[in-house]
Amino acid sequence: DIQMTQSPSSLSASVGDRVTITCRASQSINNYLNWYQQNPGKAPKLLIYAASTLQSGVPSRFSGSGSGTDFTLTISSLQPEDFATYYCQQSYSQFTFGPGTKVDI
Amino acid sequence: QVQLQESGPGLVKPSQTLSLTCTVSGGSVSSESYYWSWIRQPAGKGLEWIGRIYHSGSTSYNPSLKSRVTILLDTSKNQVSLTLSSVTAADTAVYYCARVLALGADYFDFWGQGTLVTVSS
Repeated sequence: DIQMTQSPSSLSASVGDRVTITCRASQSINNYLNWYQQNPGKAPKLLIYAASTLQSGVPSRFSGSGSGTDFTLTISSLQPEDFATYYCQQSYSQFTFGPGTKVDI
Repeated sequence: QVQLQESGPGLVKPSQTLSLTCTVSGGSVSSESYYWSWIRQPAGKGLEWIGRIYHSGSTSYNPSLKSRVTILLDTSKNQVSLTLSSVTAADTAVYYCARVLALGADYFDFWGQGTLVTVSS
């Protein structure tokens, strides 16, 4: 099984901050890495797929990078609606989600 | 626009079988471009993939749940079903169905709103 880790598990930030979240896979997953945003009581929302491709309708302040085992999600200028929990997910071998990173004020 | 709606009992007794249905609108469960998954999330915890089913009916399950899970397609009703047997309190969670776009880096592009299932006597 492929295990996913994320760091940090939580972070505090302010509106306008640049935020970076890291995701690491236990083995190489090429670019089979996706990112989701989840607000309390809501289903996750796809932000980025294939490590760096922005899903349609997602603001350009979100970006992703990485390949192999190490990946990052960056929010260039944090907006009030971005305070949420972020999950990475691999699809190289079945599916596994990372444990999540909570971004709060 | 594709919409997914989960439904089923909100309360299941320990050792019994959990059964949920996901009704898909705005798209066909028989499409070869997509397949369907179930994911769950215990309160305050992360996401756990349960399993998937392709338009052909072929399935794949999380090894940790494989012995208890069955996912089926009902093309006549455009639905995806989930059954989980011998449930315990550890199976209490919000259960989501999701559409998966098969692109290599397969991803969940549409999700249902989720349904809370509580396992308790």
